[in-house]
Order: sequence, then structure tokens, then C-alpha cells
Amino acid sequence: GAGVSQSPSNKVTEKGKDVELRCDPISGHTALYWYRQSLGQGLEFLIYFQGNSAPDKSGLPSDRFSAERTGGSVSTLTIQRTQQEDSAVYLCAGQVNTEAFFGQGTRLTVV
Amino acid sequence: QQQVKQSPQSLIVQKGGISIINCAYENTAFDYFPWYQQFPGKGPALLIAIRPDVSEKKEGRFTISFNKSAKQFSLHIMDSQPGDSATYFCAAKPRNQFYFGTGTSLTVIP
Repeated sequence: GAGVSQSPSNKVTEKGKDVELRCDPISGHTALYWYRQSLGQGLEFLIYFQGNSAPDKSGLPSDRFSAERTGGSVSTLTIQRTQQEDSAVYLCAGQVNTEAFFGQGTRLTVV
Repeated sequence: QQQVKQSPQSLIVQKGGISIINCAYENTAFDYFPWYQQFPGKGPALLIAIRPDVSEKKEGRFTISFNKSAKQFSLHIMDSQPGDSATYFCAAKPRNQFYFGTGTSLTVIP
């Protein structure tokens, strides 16, 4: 919604493989968030980027997870050596003033 | 540490009834309190929001009640409809970062 695109929309990967999830907000999104949502569960905060400040990585569940935001726009969430418990919907949100605009998410399935 | 605590986790309401979802916070730096609505297969989207200088905000069938002294706010859905069935997230925001509640799954039974 409102200019946040995520790709791929669905990803099936084998346990142990690395995956990259992409978030492409429109320009003007001053901040960017990654959340994880397991089936029927709430939003689990992963990471927050704000301008040129150091990102808030406090939500990353393990060192297998990393994210970067290049040029203040596109962001990539990387999960190394995927595990079955990583299966979830990964949501990205861009913030414009007081509103967060979420993408439709990437559904990751680790088999 | 969960900055915003939301309850209940799930809620079932008859059509025409009132749905009430509650949230509580501790950080007095929060100055903006939105509610987001999420339908299956979609990302959450802004539904209604309030600032702490007012105690209530109403938009159609949706009302936010805000109690600054108790650091609590709630979403009331009047005349609940099956189309309101969704997951609802409260959130709070200080100057920069959003903090979301864990969500409430609302089912409105026809």
C-alpha cells in the first residue's frame, strides 16, 4: 500500500539456504521498518532505519538475520542458513510523517 | 520489552455489537496513537489515530478513547459488521519510531 513494494511476494526455500527479501519504498519515506508476522500472530519488530542514524537492530532474533538500506531507499533483509522457524510473513513499512505504510509482505516458507 | 501492551488477543462479537480493544503504554514520550487494521493477505493500514491532547476521536463507527493519566487507549467499533473481521494493531509513537501492540484478531459473527 501507498508506495511500498516488497519482493518476492512468496518464497519457498530449503532449510540451510540463504534468502534475500527486498523492500522498495517510494522516496519521501523518512524511516523504514521490518517486521515479522508468524501465522495468526502479531507484529514482531525486527529492525528500524531512520535517515543516516545507526539502525535499531534490537529486534533481530539471531545473527543469521541482517538488513541494510542503501541510499536511504531500498532495503534488503537477509536471512542466512534458514531454519523452519523462520517461516513467516515479513512485512516492510515506510514512514511518512505520522503514518506507516506497509507493503503486502513476503511469505517465506522454509522446507 | 513490549512498549505497548494490547488485549485481548482475540475477540468474537455478534453482528451489531460493540467491539472493544485495549492498549496500555508506559513511555510518557509517546505523543501519537494510531490504530491499524489488517485483512488477511494484506499489510496493516491506518484506520484512525489520536493525539493525547484529546480524550476521544470518532470516525464513523470507529472511536478511540484515550486516558492520559492511566496511559491507556482503546478502540471501539460500534455496530460491528462481518466486514470488520480483521486483525487490529494499536501503536504508539514518540518523536520518531513506531511501537506496535501484538494485535487482536476480531471475528464478527453474522
